[in-house]
Amino acid sequence: NAGVTQTPKFRVLKTGQSMTLLCAQDMNHEYMYWYRQDPGMGLRLIHYSVGEGTTAKGEVPDGYNVSRLKKQNFLLGLESAAPSQTSVYFCASSIQGRSGEQYFGPGTRLTVT
Amino acid sequence: GENVEQHPSTLSVQEGDSAVIKCTYSDSASNYFPWYKQELGKRPQLIIDIRSNVGEKKDQRIAVTLNKTAKHFSLHITETQPEDSAVYFCAASTGTASKLTFGTGTRLQVTL
Repeated sequence: NAGVTQTPKFRVLKTGQSMTLLCAQDMNHEYMYWYRQDPGMGLRLIHYSVGEGTTAKGEVPDGYNVSRLKKQNFLLGLESAAPSQTSVYFCASSIQGRSGEQYFGPGTRLTVT
Repeated sequence: GENVEQHPSTLSVQEGDSAVIKCTYSDSASNYFPWYKQELGKRPQLIIDIRSNVGEKKDQRIAVTLNKTAKHFSLHITETQPEDSAVYFCAASTGTASKLTFGTGTRLQVTL
């Protein structure tokens, strides 16, 4: 099992450009999450999904969109990148049910110039 | 929503000493409290967790304690080793969609 994978690993964007980050998991988890990690601020939840076809806003959703067309994939989109979106992005997944462990992907380092 | 505060932000201990990291949470409905370790450039990995019906949990050199009344929980690492050097994050969840609210992290450095 690969667990949770993310593509790409690194990306540099110019302000105003768009991109999509892909998260894939092969553990048949229902729940998936996108976080951003900034120095001194821990991990903050951007959007999450409780199942195929569902998405919901987290703590810092502005400037991002997500889609969960297939259970194993969770896409994070930036329509018009801004320097404030320079961050490390982590995807995670979790089994449905009572609160449990979240399994993290390796992260994507995004720089917006 | 939930708010999790974590202290200290940095902690330096000598090898063999103990390290304690403390977190407080705001939502009394929170019932799951995991601790994650993140090495430089790597993903966060769960090292121990505790649920609200338990006061303490141990796993070899690490332990977590929970005080529901005071709404705080702590990570204890005994006999620290250089490989314990990392950033540690606490988190809390009320169970809704298993969402986690993270603390801001503690950078632990274990010196020889």
